[in-house]
Amino acid sequence: DADVTQTPRNRITKTGKRIMLECSQTKGHDRMYWYRQDPGLGLRLIYYSFDVKDINKGEISDGYSVSRQAQAKFSLSLESAIPNQTALYFCATSEGRDTQYFGPGTRLTVL
Amino acid sequence: AQKVTQAQTEISVVEKEDVTLDCVYETRDTTYYLFWYKQPPSGELVFLIRRNSFDEQNEISGRYSWNFQKSTSSFNFTITASQVVDSAVYFCALINGGTSYGKLTFGQGTILTVHP
Repeated sequence: DADVTQTPRNRITKTGKRIMLECSQTKGHDRMYWYRQDPGLGLRLIYYSFDVKDINKGEISDGYSVSRQAQAKFSLSLESAIPNQTALYFCATSEGRDTQYFGPGTRLTVL
Repeated sequence: AQKVTQAQTEISVVEKEDVTLDCVYETRDTTYYLFWYKQPPSGELVFLIRRNSFDEQNEISGRYSWNFQKSTSSFNFTITASQVVDSAVYFCALINGGTSYGKLTFGQGTILTVHP
Protein backbone atom coordinates (compact mmCIF):
# COMPACT_ATOMS: atom_id res chain seq x y z
CA ASP A 1 0.00 0.00 0.00
CA ALA A 2 1.12 3.53 -0.76
CA ASP A 3 2.51 5.55 2.12
CA VAL A 4 0.83 8.78 0.99
CA THR A 5 -2.61 8.57 -0.57
CA GLN A 6 -4.78 11.25 -2.11
CA THR A 7 -8.47 11.20 -2.92
CA PRO A 8 -9.92 11.77 -5.39
CA ARG A 9 -7.32 11.17 -8.09
CA ASN A 10 -9.29 13.08 -10.68
CA ARG A 11 -12.09 15.58 -10.28
CA ILE A 12 -14.02 17.75 -12.66
CA THR A 13 -16.18 20.42 -11.12
CA LYS A 14 -17.91 23.68 -11.98
CA THR A 15 -17.09 27.24 -11.05
CA GLY A 16 -18.41 28.16 -7.63
CA LYS A 17 -18.55 24.64 -6.23
CA ARG A 18 -16.87 23.68 -2.97
CA ILE A 19 -14.24 20.99 -3.34
CA MET A 20 -12.27 19.03 -0.78
CA LEU A 21 -9.11 17.10 -1.55
CA GLU A 22 -7.96 14.62 1.03
CA CYS A 23 -4.55 13.29 1.94
CA SER A 24 -3.62 10.46 4.28
CA GLN A 25 -0.21 9.11 5.24
CA THR A 26 1.01 6.01 7.01
CA LYS A 27 4.62 7.15 7.31
CA GLY A 28 4.11 8.61 10.78
CA HIS A 29 5.57 11.95 9.68
CA ASP A 30 4.82 15.12 11.59
CA ARG A 31 4.77 17.57 8.68
CA MET A 32 2.34 17.68 5.79
CA TYR A 33 2.13 19.96 2.76
CA TRP A 34 -0.12 20.86 -0.14
CA TYR A 35 1.36 21.95 -3.47
CA ARG A 36 -0.09 22.74 -6.84
CA GLN A 37 1.66 22.15 -10.12
CA ASP A 38 0.96 24.21 -13.21
CA PRO A 39 2.68 23.81 -16.57
CA GLY A 40 5.68 26.15 -16.77
CA LEU A 41 5.36 27.24 -13.14
CA GLY A 42 6.68 24.19 -11.38
CA LEU A 43 5.40 23.30 -7.92
CA ARG A 44 4.17 25.99 -5.57
CA LEU A 45 3.37 25.58 -1.90
CA ILE A 46 -0.21 26.28 -0.82
CA TYR A 47 -0.20 25.36 2.90
CA TYR A 48 1.94 23.41 5.29
CA SER A 49 1.42 21.96 8.74
CA PHE A 50 4.04 21.07 11.33
CA ASP A 51 1.54 19.24 13.50
CA VAL A 52 -2.19 19.15 14.18
CA LYS A 53 -2.22 22.57 15.85
CA ASP A 54 0.27 24.31 13.58
CA ILE A 55 -0.91 25.33 10.11
CA ASN A 56 0.80 27.90 7.95
CA LYS A 57 0.18 29.64 4.65
CA GLY A 58 2.49 28.99 1.76
CA GLU A 59 3.16 31.02 -1.36
CA ILE A 60 -0.31 30.86 -2.88
CA SER A 61 -2.91 30.29 -0.14
CA ASP A 62 -5.58 32.69 -1.41
CA GLY A 63 -8.74 30.81 -2.34
CA TYR A 64 -7.73 27.72 -0.35
CA SER A 65 -8.16 26.48 3.20
CA VAL A 66 -6.86 23.41 5.00
CA SER A 67 -7.67 21.20 7.94
CA ARG A 68 -5.32 18.87 9.79
CA GLN A 69 -7.78 16.43 11.29
CA ALA A 70 -5.13 14.13 12.71
CA GLN A 71 -1.41 13.64 12.37
CA ALA A 72 -2.07 11.39 9.39
CA LYS A 73 -4.72 13.45 7.61
CA PHE A 74 -4.51 16.81 5.89
CA SER A 75 -7.30 18.08 3.66
CA LEU A 76 -7.36 20.97 1.22
CA SER A 77 -10.56 22.85 0.43
CA LEU A 78 -11.48 25.18 -2.37
CA GLU A 79 -14.45 27.10 -0.96
CA SER A 80 -15.61 28.41 -4.33
CA ALA A 81 -13.65 26.90 -7.17
CA ILE A 82 -12.59 29.03 -10.13
CA PRO A 83 -11.12 27.96 -13.47
CA ASN A 84 -7.59 29.17 -12.69
CA GLN A 85 -7.48 26.63 -9.87
CA THR A 86 -7.34 23.93 -12.51
CA ALA A 87 -4.06 22.16 -11.73
CA LEU A 88 -2.39 19.04 -10.43
CA TYR A 89 -2.41 19.03 -6.63
CA PHE A 90 0.10 17.16 -4.54
CA CYS A 91 0.17 16.31 -0.88
CA ALA A 92 3.56 15.63 0.71
CA THR A 93 4.86 14.55 4.10
CA SER A 94 8.18 14.78 5.90
CA GLU A 95 9.76 14.14 9.26
CA GLY A 96 11.03 17.56 10.21
CA ARG A 97 13.12 19.07 7.42
CA ASP A 98 13.92 15.65 6.04
CA THR A 99 12.92 14.43 2.59
CA GLN A 100 9.39 15.24 1.46
CA TYR A 101 7.49 12.29 0.04
CA PHE A 102 4.67 13.01 -2.35
CA GLY A 103 1.30 11.45 -2.92
CA PRO A 104 0.16 10.40 -6.40
CA GLY A 105 -1.52 13.73 -7.11
CA THR A 106 -5.08 14.90 -7.77
CA ARG A 107 -5.90 16.28 -11.18
CA LEU A 108 -8.54 18.98 -10.69
CA THR A 109 -10.41 20.64 -13.53
CA VAL A 110 -12.69 23.59 -12.85
CA LEU A 111 -15.05 24.38 -15.72
CA ALA B 1 16.45 33.85 -0.73
CA GLN B 2 16.91 30.50 -2.39
CA LYS B 3 16.65 29.58 -6.03
CA VAL B 4 17.09 26.50 -8.18
CA THR B 5 17.75 26.77 -11.89
CA GLN B 6 17.43 23.96 -14.38
CA ALA B 7 18.49 25.62 -17.59
CA GLN B 8 17.65 22.66 -19.82
CA THR B 9 13.93 22.78 -20.49
CA GLU B 10 13.89 19.70 -22.70
CA ILE B 11 16.42 17.03 -23.63
CA SER B 12 15.94 14.35 -26.24
CA VAL B 13 18.27 11.35 -26.54
CA VAL B 14 18.31 7.95 -28.13
CA GLU B 15 18.26 4.88 -25.95
CA LYS B 16 21.66 3.85 -24.51
CA GLU B 17 23.04 7.37 -24.68
CA ASP B 18 24.31 8.96 -21.50
CA VAL B 19 22.57 12.17 -20.47
CA THR B 20 23.32 14.79 -17.82
CA LEU B 21 20.70 17.03 -16.30
CA ASP B 22 22.05 20.28 -14.90
CA CYS B 23 21.01 21.94 -11.66
CA VAL B 24 22.41 25.17 -10.26
CA TYR B 25 21.28 26.51 -6.92
CA GLU B 26 21.52 29.72 -4.93
CA THR B 27 21.36 29.99 -1.17
CA ARG B 28 22.92 32.09 1.57
CA ASP B 29 22.80 29.26 4.09
CA THR B 30 25.83 27.15 4.79
CA THR B 31 23.66 24.17 5.65
CA TYR B 32 21.18 23.03 3.04
CA TYR B 33 19.80 19.92 1.39
CA LEU B 34 19.50 19.12 -2.28
CA PHE B 35 17.10 16.70 -3.90
CA TRP B 36 16.18 15.18 -7.23
CA TYR B 37 12.67 14.02 -8.01
CA LYS B 38 11.35 12.19 -11.06
CA GLN B 39 7.88 12.76 -12.49
CA PRO B 40 7.02 10.05 -15.04
CA PRO B 41 4.13 10.46 -17.51
CA SER B 42 1.78 8.91 -14.94
CA GLY B 43 2.22 12.09 -12.89
CA GLU B 44 3.47 11.04 -9.48
CA LEU B 45 6.59 12.60 -7.95
CA VAL B 46 9.22 10.05 -7.07
CA PHE B 47 12.07 10.89 -4.70
CA LEU B 48 15.47 9.91 -6.13
CA ILE B 49 18.16 11.33 -3.88
CA ARG B 50 18.94 13.72 -1.05
CA ARG B 51 22.35 15.29 -0.50
CA ASN B 52 23.52 17.37 2.48
CA SER B 53 25.62 20.47 1.91
CA PHE B 54 28.44 19.15 4.09
CA ASP B 55 28.78 15.94 2.08
CA GLU B 56 30.29 16.49 -1.34
CA GLN B 57 30.81 12.84 -2.14
CA ASN B 58 29.35 11.84 -5.45
CA GLU B 59 26.69 9.20 -5.42
CA ILE B 60 26.03 6.32 -7.78
CA SER B 61 22.93 4.17 -7.79
CA GLY B 62 22.79 1.76 -10.67
CA ARG B 63 22.63 3.79 -13.88
CA TYR B 64 22.10 7.02 -11.93
CA SER B 65 24.88 9.21 -10.58
CA TRP B 66 24.98 12.62 -9.00
CA ASN B 67 27.82 15.15 -9.00
CA PHE B 68 27.63 17.71 -6.21
CA GLN B 69 30.07 20.63 -6.44
CA LYS B 70 29.76 23.42 -3.88
CA SER B 71 32.38 25.50 -5.71
CA THR B 72 30.04 25.90 -8.66
CA SER B 73 26.77 25.51 -6.69
CA SER B 74 25.77 22.63 -8.91
CA PHE B 75 24.12 19.28 -8.33
CA ASN B 76 24.03 17.53 -11.68
CA PHE B 77 22.36 14.23 -12.43
CA THR B 78 23.66 11.74 -14.99
CA ILE B 79 21.81 8.77 -16.41
CA THR B 80 24.10 6.23 -18.01
CA ALA B 81 22.84 4.07 -20.86
CA SER B 82 19.44 5.73 -20.87
CA GLN B 83 16.29 3.69 -21.36
CA VAL B 84 12.83 4.58 -22.61
CA VAL B 85 11.53 4.18 -19.03
CA ASP B 86 13.75 7.09 -18.01
CA SER B 87 11.49 9.43 -19.98
CA ALA B 88 10.08 11.82 -17.40
CA VAL B 89 10.30 15.32 -16.00
CA TYR B 90 13.15 15.64 -13.51
CA PHE B 91 13.10 18.25 -10.77
CA CYS B 92 15.99 19.49 -8.69
CA ALA B 93 15.03 21.02 -5.33
CA LEU B 94 16.61 22.71 -2.30
CA ILE B 95 15.80 23.15 1.39
CA ASN B 96 17.72 25.61 3.52
CA GLY B 97 18.80 24.32 6.89
CA GLY B 98 18.83 27.71 8.56
CA THR B 99 15.15 27.99 9.39
CA SER B 100 12.65 25.74 11.10
CA TYR B 101 10.33 25.79 8.16
CA GLY B 102 12.28 23.86 5.56
CA LYS B 103 10.78 25.38 2.41
CA LEU B 104 11.34 23.08 -0.55
CA THR B 105 12.19 25.19 -3.57
CA PHE B 106 11.90 23.43 -6.93
CA GLY B 107 13.55 24.15 -10.22
CA GLN B 108 11.35 24.40 -13.28
CA GLY B 109 12.11 20.84 -14.30
CA THR B 110 13.80 19.21 -17.30
CA ILE B 111 11.72 17.10 -19.66
CA LEU B 112 13.75 14.09 -20.72
CA THR B 113 12.60 12.05 -23.68
CA VAL B 114 14.42 8.83 -24.48
CA HIS B 115 13.67 7.48 -27.93
CA PRO B 116 13.98 3.78 -28.73
